[in-house]
Amino acid sequence: GENVEQHPSTLSVQEGDSAVIKCTYSDSASNYFPWYKQELGKRPQLIIDIRSNVGEKKDQRIAVTLNKTAKHFSLHITETQPEDSAVYFCAASLNNAGNMLTFGGGTRLMVKP
Amino acid sequence: DAGITQSPRHKVTETGTPVTLRCHQTENHRYMYWYRQDPGHGLRLIHYSYGVKDTDKGEVSDGYSVSRSKTEDFLLTLESATSSQTSVYFCAIRTGGGHNEQFFGPGTRLTVL
Repeated sequence: GENVEQHPSTLSVQEGDSAVIKCTYSDSASNYFPWYKQELGKRPQLIIDIRSNVGEKKDQRIAVTLNKTAKHFSLHITETQPEDSAVYFCAASLNNAGNMLTFGGGTRLMVKP
Repeated sequence: DAGITQSPRHKVTETGTPVTLRCHQTENHRYMYWYRQDPGHGLRLIHYSYGVKDTDKGEVSDGYSVSRSKTEDFLLTLESATSSQTSVYFCAIRTGGGHNEQFFGPGTRLTVL
């Protein structure tokens, strides 16, 4: 089955700096890659996703890039703010009947004011 | 919140007792999922459903069963709870129309003593 690895497990940045979280996946047939943000005690919230037919997608201060050849994708957050502090999860999915998501282990991002 | 509720939100039970968690959705989504979340493991799929009475196993299905007798309800049952099943359980739905986004319910924190 699919295996997703996520790095780093913790990331501390100064407010206003950029943050990058990286994920690798094992199954070359995976074609959907969402990112979730989870604040303490809350549900994971979908913040951005990318499909295998595009290499990059942006939404205001966040962007995701995908390298299908290398089987890795990354989340980029620019101009970080304290409210960006949370745990971020990447995931990968095959476009099969179940569209089951396999998640990475998560990255705890801390933005210091 | 994609119209997803979970009940109960918190439960403490003893080893060996049966436990049923309920996921309820109001938007008639076909696909529903049960995940568990544990520190260091991200989210792992337990079971999923692709329609009434149609279910399949996920990555960590041992010790769990599910049922879906109505579109709106997806039940997760621990037949005989063990301490290793102490976790936070999230239900999710998948949107249709060619989109694969999964949205999560608020979660149930289960403690097995």
